[in-house]
Amino acid sequence: GQSLEQPSEVTAVEGAIVQINCTYQTSGFYGLSWYQQHDGGAPTFLSYNGLDGLEETGRFSSFLSRSDSYGYLLLQELQMKDSASYFCAVNTGFQKLVFGTGTRLLVSP
Amino acid sequence: KAGVTQTPRYLIKTRGQQVTLSCSPISGHRSVSWYQQTPGQGLQFLFEYFSETQRNKGNFPGRFSGRQFSNSRSEMNVSTLELGDSALYLCASSLTPDGAESPYGYTFGSGTRLTVV
Repeated sequence: GQSLEQPSEVTAVEGAIVQINCTYQTSGFYGLSWYQQHDGGAPTFLSYNGLDGLEETGRFSSFLSRSDSYGYLLLQELQMKDSASYFCAVNTGFQKLVFGTGTRLLVSP
Repeated sequence: KAGVTQTPRYLIKTRGQQVTLSCSPISGHRSVSWYQQTPGQGLQFLFEYFSETQRNKGNFPGRFSGRQFSNSRSEMNVSTLELGDSALYLCASSLTPDGAESPYGYTFGSGTRLTVV
């Protein structure tokens, strides 16, 4: 089967740094993506890692280690608006994304 | 530029009926995918279309079908609706190079909330 494991919930305070981990086991791998989804909203693309290493986009960074089947999303300088669910997703081929179970991030003042 | 547009936003249907959902991708995006989102199963891939061809299909029964038109607009159809089909159906488009895997990420529409009673 195919599975992506993430923590179900993470809590942090404004201004802090939080890391959301994702371990995956899939039959194909063409890249790891991260999406943010606010309650009642659509998933929004945050970042993509096709190769090992760190990708930085503003306050968000994402890391991939293909040998460890592991990646993480790092959110810095947390803001209240970052409270949302975060999903990792593996492209297993022909644009099929297999999504993780999602991590609910709660940012408090 | 306009985002991904899905219609209708909400739909209530009765068991046994069929339903057609519509998706207009971002202009220039030729890859369109459909996902089902439920609290229990999360986000699950239904199918992907590129230039009117279905390139990939998820593990859903044959009651779920789709198609893509020459203008990249896509529709999905669910026949003989069951209570378990109640979900948020999301369409996503991507700027995918011909025949290649997309590093660009997907832009999702706001979804169609289907309730089967």
